[in-house]
Amino acid sequence: LAKTTQPISMDSYEGQEVNITCSHNNIATNDYITWYQQFPSQGPRFIIQGYKTKVTNEVASLFIPADRKSSTLSLPRVSLSDTAVYYCLVGGANQAGTALIFGKGTTLSVSS
Amino acid sequence: KAGVTQTPRYLIKTRGQQVTLSCSPISGHRSVSWYQQTPGQGLQFLFEYFSETQRNKGNFPGRFSGRQFSNSRSEMNVSTLELGDSALYLCASSWTGGSGANVLTFGAGSRLTVL
Repeated sequence: LAKTTQPISMDSYEGQEVNITCSHNNIATNDYITWYQQFPSQGPRFIIQGYKTKVTNEVASLFIPADRKSSTLSLPRVSLSDTAVYYCLVGGANQAGTALIFGKGTTLSVSS
Repeated sequence: KAGVTQTPRYLIKTRGQQVTLSCSPISGHRSVSWYQQTPGQGLQFLFEYFSETQRNKGNFPGRFSGRQFSNSRSEMNVSTLELGDSALYLCASSWTGGSGANVLTFGAGSRLTVL
């Protein structure tokens, strides 16, 4: 499984756009990139998933360059409630026996 | 659609005891994964079950075991509890059909404290 590297922490203010970049140099051809959000004492929650180029949903955008060796999660106009840990995962499409490995994640702190 | 249900939510045990945690996945989800989360180690993969078979296992001692039933419900067991087993145990289910990689839906977790 491809290993991922993310910044340990980031700080932002309410209303700003936050971009969290994840490096995955050894991504395989059939790997997808998935981001999760976790609040304290809760299980992680799916945010967005993509394979290439750009994916957007109601809460975030995911940018993936052509070489797919990195990806950037973009959170528009963050609020205090976006303070959480964000995890980037790389894994294969419906891969039998996939053990999805979470790294340390990025702790995002949003201040007013 | 009901989410992933984990029971019990909180429990306290003493060293040497054993514990069983339960997980009911989302209806239709046949894959169940278990994770241990501690402040120092983060989220660590324990094992994954699909159709009552363990397909993957993380780097944990044999004291940690699990099983999955025909209705996809899963249990994990920790025997001979140690202080270091105090953690939030998270269960996640996923549907393994369709395109894209598996998306995990997590339960609220079972908070285990070992005294």
